[in-house]
Amino acid sequence: GENVEQHPSTLSVQEGDSAVIKCTYSDSASNYFPWYKQELGKGPQLIIDIRSNVGEKKDQRIAVTLNKTAKHFSLHITETQPEDSAVYFCAASREANNLFFGTGTRLTVIP
Amino acid sequence: ETGVTQSPTHLIKTRGQQVTLRCSSQSGHNTVSWYQQALGQGPQFIFQYYREEENGRGNFPPRFSGLQFPNYSSELNVNALELDDSALYLCASSLAGQTRYGYTFGSGTRLTVV
Repeated sequence: GENVEQHPSTLSVQEGDSAVIKCTYSDSASNYFPWYKQELGKGPQLIIDIRSNVGEKKDQRIAVTLNKTAKHFSLHITETQPEDSAVYFCAASREANNLFFGTGTRLTVIP
Repeated sequence: ETGVTQSPTHLIKTRGQQVTLRCSSQSGHNTVSWYQQALGQGPQFIFQYYREEENGRGNFPPRFSGLQFPNYSSELNVNALELDDSALYLCASSLAGQTRYGYTFGSGTRLTVV
């Protein structure tokens, strides 16, 4: 099955700086790559996603890039704010009904 | 528009017991997926229900079972609880045909097995 690795496990940045989280996947047939944000006591919330026919996607301060050849994708958050502090999960999927998640990155934005 | 509601929020059970967790899907969603999230880990897919039938299953033993009702709500049942079943159980609803693209997760049920 699919194996998704995520790095780093923890990340601290100063407010206003950028944060980058990287993931690799093993199944070359995976074609959908979402990113979720999970705040304390809440379920994961989809923040951005990308499909395999696209190399990059941006939504305001958040962007995701995908390198299908290398089988890795990354989340970029610019101009970080304290409310960006949370655990972020990448995921990969090749089938219609399930996602394979990474182990998460705890992002702390220091005011 | 209501979100996904899960109950109870917390639960403590003894090893060997059985537990039932409940999920009400978001308005307009007809598919429910269940995930297990161990502490410090990402969610792992347990199974999905569509039209009251199981529609895909992850690598979980048969003692994990589920139901979906005509109003699209769902239950997750776990028999013969083991200590390793301690985790956050997440329910996600979506629309059939867009399942992996449109998950809305609930806040989860924290199950502790002692």
